[in-house]
Amino acid sequence: GAVVSQHPSWVICKSGTSVKIECRSLDFQATTMFWYRQFPKQSLMLMATSNEGSKATYEQGVEKDKFLINHASLTLSTLTVTSAHPEDSSFYICSARDDGTSGFYSYNEQFFGPGTRLTVL
Amino acid sequence: QKEVEQDPGPLSVPEGAIVSLNCTYSNSAFQYFMWYRQYSRKGPELLMYTYSSGNKEDGRFTAQVDKSSKYISLFIRDSQPSDSATYLCAMSGGSGYSTLTFGKGTMLLVSP
Repeated sequence: GAVVSQHPSWVICKSGTSVKIECRSLDFQATTMFWYRQFPKQSLMLMATSNEGSKATYEQGVEKDKFLINHASLTLSTLTVTSAHPEDSSFYICSARDDGTSGFYSYNEQFFGPGTRLTVL
Repeated sequence: QKEVEQDPGPLSVPEGAIVSLNCTYSNSAFQYFMWYRQYSRKGPELLMYTYSSGNKEDGRFTAQVDKSSKYISLFIRDSQPSDSATYLCAMSGGSGYSTLTFGKGTMLLVSP
């Protein structure tokens, strides 16, 4: 259980184009999902918290107009990198909280997707 | 000072060794402490989590938290080549639904 998928797993695009990455919770509902960015040999940096039916909350320094997040259902969140540039090349990882679990630790447990590697030429 | 400090390694050990991985942190509000394992080009998977100070054991893995020193550890006994991965510590605050703050991760290489 608690599987999160991402699509695509990798994408190469030209500078100036937009790229959409999907994050799905396959066997649970997730009101809250998170988007992270990871550069080589670096930590996961939280970009934004995605909440179903409401606007995403972006971390300081993350351009919300560049990284568009849509959480239209309880199992799907999308991240669109608009007008991508080479500096946007990175590993993007999503995670999701399981709405159905309960317990002392469950509120903090996040299930991670396999990541999407974006290369902008 | 970064909120969470973790030596990136790499840490190379022979098979069967005991491995010690550590993180220090500065935010005293952190209450939940987690260790994730991440294989190359994959998403992180949760290994262990603890609340507040103390020890927790799960098979070959033991997690320790010392809140007074703001120091957490993960011990791996009888390390195996399949343990070769990057290990990330993560922490969050005391209230539910808090976001996670990650360390950089330590790359572990276990040689046969």
